[in-house]
Amino acid sequence: GNSVTQMEGPVTLSEEAFLTINCTYTATGYPSLFWYVQYPGEGLQLLLKATKADDKGSNKGFEATYRKETTSFHLEKGSVQVSDSAVYFCALSDRDQTGANNLFFGTGTRLTVIP
Amino acid sequence: NAGVMQNPRHLVRRRGQEARLRCSPMKGHSHVYWYRQLPEEGLKFMVYLQKENIIDESGMPKERFSAEFPKEGPSILRIQQVVRGDSAAYFCASSPLTFRDIDLGGAGNTIYFGEGSWLTVV
Repeated sequence: GNSVTQMEGPVTLSEEAFLTINCTYTATGYPSLFWYVQYPGEGLQLLLKATKADDKGSNKGFEATYRKETTSFHLEKGSVQVSDSAVYFCALSDRDQTGANNLFFGTGTRLTVIP
Repeated sequence: NAGVMQNPRHLVRRRGQEARLRCSPMKGHSHVYWYRQLPEEGLKFMVYLQKENIIDESGMPKERFSAEFPKEGPSILRIQQVVRGDSAAYFCASSPLTFRDIDLGGAGNTIYFGEGSWLTVV
């Protein structure tokens, strides 16, 4: 089956620190991989995505590389800011499914960045 | 263009009461998805609807839960005779196309989530 396992939080970092949030997946087909972010009081927003092995998604200084050999899609940022404080969700979409209900989410990791 | 609107944001119900959660998709979107996030768990798919049709409800509990998306008005997720285990955040998402129709890799951010409705059953 399909599932996503991501690093448990919460994660607290100082401003300008390096961020890694681990995400690994299990999929039956050839999934696309996503990171969503939820800022306080807001809905989920797509942060970045990768659709095939070795693709790198990037946005707002965040990066994640689709690693098929390790079934991972770790989120990284070189220097976090206070405004990055949010909950981050790793997700996969399995293209082999014929239905439309094929977004599988991890449990979310809460990041707090302190000045 | 307003985003996906969910209401109420917070709802408290006593055991045995009914809960109704509403979702207005983004303008022009005809596909609505409901997800549930139980405490300490990820978001789990519940149901996918188009106008006046339930396309897939495989993630919906068989008892007490129902969803609709009428021709006019918002999508409604209805939970009858709520129990404590129903306490969760319920997220709605909308898109102009289905996951199957669009190329997620190229279409970018075409799936929009609401801010969620937090149900607490006391």
